[in-house]
Amino acid sequence: GQNIDQPTEMTATEGAIVQINCTYQTSGFNGLFWYQQHAGEAPTFLSYNVLDGLEEKGRFSSFLSRSKGYSYLLLKELQMKDSASYLCAVRKSGNTGKLIFGQGTTLQVKP
Amino acid sequence: DTEVTQTPKHLVMGMTNKKSLKCEQHMGHRAMYWYKQKAKKPPELMFVYSYEKLSINESVPSRFSPECPNSSLLNLHLHALQPEDSALYLCASSQVQGGQETQYFGPGTRLLVL
Repeated sequence: GQNIDQPTEMTATEGAIVQINCTYQTSGFNGLFWYQQHAGEAPTFLSYNVLDGLEEKGRFSSFLSRSKGYSYLLLKELQMKDSASYLCAVRKSGNTGKLIFGQGTTLQVKP
Repeated sequence: DTEVTQTPKHLVMGMTNKKSLKCEQHMGHRAMYWYKQKAKKPPELMFVYSYEKLSINESVPSRFSPECPNSSLLNLHLHALQPEDSALYLCASSQVQGGQETQYFGPGTRLLVL
């Protein structure tokens, strides 16, 4: 079976740090993606992790632990424009690029 | 250039109409995808093309017919749709380079079936 879990909603303050967790159980794993999606827009690629560890890209970092089936997206120095839905997606092995998405985490950044 | 383009941006069609959605990318990606997204839900995979061949069809009804004319273009032909097919249709493309994979989405076509 396959299951990807993320919190439904989170709230954080402008300038703060927030961590969005994602746990997964899938039959076959070949990488994990994080996407940002603003309301009414398409998902925007943020990161891809296939090896354990932390990948840093500016204010955003993504972490993966394959043994624990766990990832997180870390957003630093939050800005109001970071209010969006954050989607965790697992790429399954054995299928050409097939992504299984979690339900998404809606992040609200408050002043 | 990390752009995937889609046309049209919006489409309203009746249940007896035939229309097509178009997607284009010039990043040299050899895998292209169609996803369907309903409001407040994550994208759901419909089709995957790899090297211009259909590699995955997620049991999509035959009223949706994909086509990949060449490595840069992907079409989705629509015929006899139902109101419940109203959604955002997203095209994406991907490649693996140096062990790192990227998958980019186009802006989507917002479809309303009346």
